[in-house]
Amino acid sequence: QSVLTQPPSASGTPGQRVTISCSGSSSNIGSNTVNWYQQLPGTAPKLLIYSNNQRPSGVPDRFSGSKSGTSASLAISGLQSEDEADYYCAAWDDSLNDLVFGGGTKLTVL
Amino acid sequence: QVQLQESGPGLVKPSQTLSLTCTVSGGSISSGGYYWSWIRQHPGKGLEWIGYIYYSGSTYYNPSLKSRVTISVDTSKNQFSLKLSSVTAADTAVYYCARATQEVVFDYWGQGTLVTVSS
Repeated sequence: QSVLTQPPSASGTPGQRVTISCSGSSSNIGSNTVNWYQQLPGTAPKLLIYSNNQRPSGVPDRFSGSKSGTSASLAISGLQSEDEADYYCAAWDDSLNDLVFGGGTKLTVL
Repeated sequence: QVQLQESGPGLVKPSQTLSLTCTVSGGSISSGGYYWSWIRQHPGKGLEWIGYIYYSGSTYYNPSLKSRVTISVDTSKNQFSLKLSSVTAADTAVYYCARATQEVVFDYWGQGTLVTVSS
């Protein structure tokens, strides 16, 4: 059972916009920034979004992040087949003194 | 471009100590500013942060693993290492090394190495 809650799966067709949610509490998302990682099949995770809504160099602007209260969201617009991957949210938890990840969301491009 | 590469045995017997090394290239651990981390992923599961070390040797570990984990650094070789003692089958996982910013953002990752705990 992950501290941060994500839907196990999400799907969309090419060109669509999809969002993935990440729900936490006051001790993690409510008081710290959220980061998102993309894990393509058989590869290591890659930083996608940091500090709630910042994109590292090289990440397309189709990817965006937001945070409100104790929840965060990752949005992918103009969905492409190469976006099919697992997506993880992460945040520091002040109560656990631990870096916690969501359980991951498997995105399928139909 | 910073690159990280894990190395170590792929098979460890139960009750023994798992030992992995991460070699960093394209950047110096001793330049500071970053935390050198270990993260694992159980087969088909999510990510679990193990801990990190600063170039000075200061460490921080996941409280749930703290009693079994030791992370060390060798700045002369630009490497850092993980030791996990008293392993069981539950420690079977892909182990990743990664560089973390001061905000604990993992911006560079190794490719990962599968460690299986089995007799």
